[in-house]
Amino acid sequence: AQTVTQSQPEMSVQEAETVTLSCTYDTSESDYYLFWYKQPPSRQMILVIRQEAYKQQNATENRFSVNFQKAAKSFSLKISDSQLGDAAMYFCAYGSGGGADGLTFGKGTHLIIQP
Amino acid sequence: DAGITQSPRYKITETGRQVTLMCHQTWSHSYMFWYRQDLGHGLRLIYYSAAADITDKGEVPDGYVVSRSKTENFPLTLESATRSQTSVYFCASSIAGSSYEQYFGPGTRLTVT
Repeated sequence: AQTVTQSQPEMSVQEAETVTLSCTYDTSESDYYLFWYKQPPSRQMILVIRQEAYKQQNATENRFSVNFQKAAKSFSLKISDSQLGDAAMYFCAYGSGGGADGLTFGKGTHLIIQP
Repeated sequence: DAGITQSPRYKITETGRQVTLMCHQTWSHSYMFWYRQDLGHGLRLIYYSAAADITDKGEVPDGYVVSRSKTENFPLTLESATRSQTSVYFCASSIAGSSYEQYFGPGTRLTVT
């Protein structure tokens, strides 16, 4: 079974600074996707960024970027120019098997933005 | 465009009662999923469905039943609720053969007393 590990239960960063959230995963599959989801206090799950395992280039979405190290099975999220609205729980997730059998989530990292 | 909706949003029930959580999506996505979210556990998969009339167990299926007679609906039933089933429940859907991206409903907070 695949596992996803987020080793940082909580992180804090000053507004406008950069923060990196860590995620490692374990799999024997070669074809898979990795995701970062954001969950603000509203509880809504919002997709932040997606990475296809077969792509070597790291995904980027505006202030959000990932460092995907396939051999090390590492998938970290970097948030640049942190904003107060970035405060949320962040979940790393893994999907394989054609997408029909669900995602495996890490336990989450609570990100605090200090004004 | 309603997307994916869940009802009720909040529910309080007593131990031993049957309760059904509803999930409806307007996109005609083939795949649908139920997760539960508990503090310290992230989201865990309860059941999933690849199409109407096709369902399968996820990581934590005990005490739950699902059905999917129509593509757009995927109800989750707790046949005899227990306190350990107090949780936030999320329904999600995705397009078959896509990038695995899942679209989540707003969640249902269930309390079993």
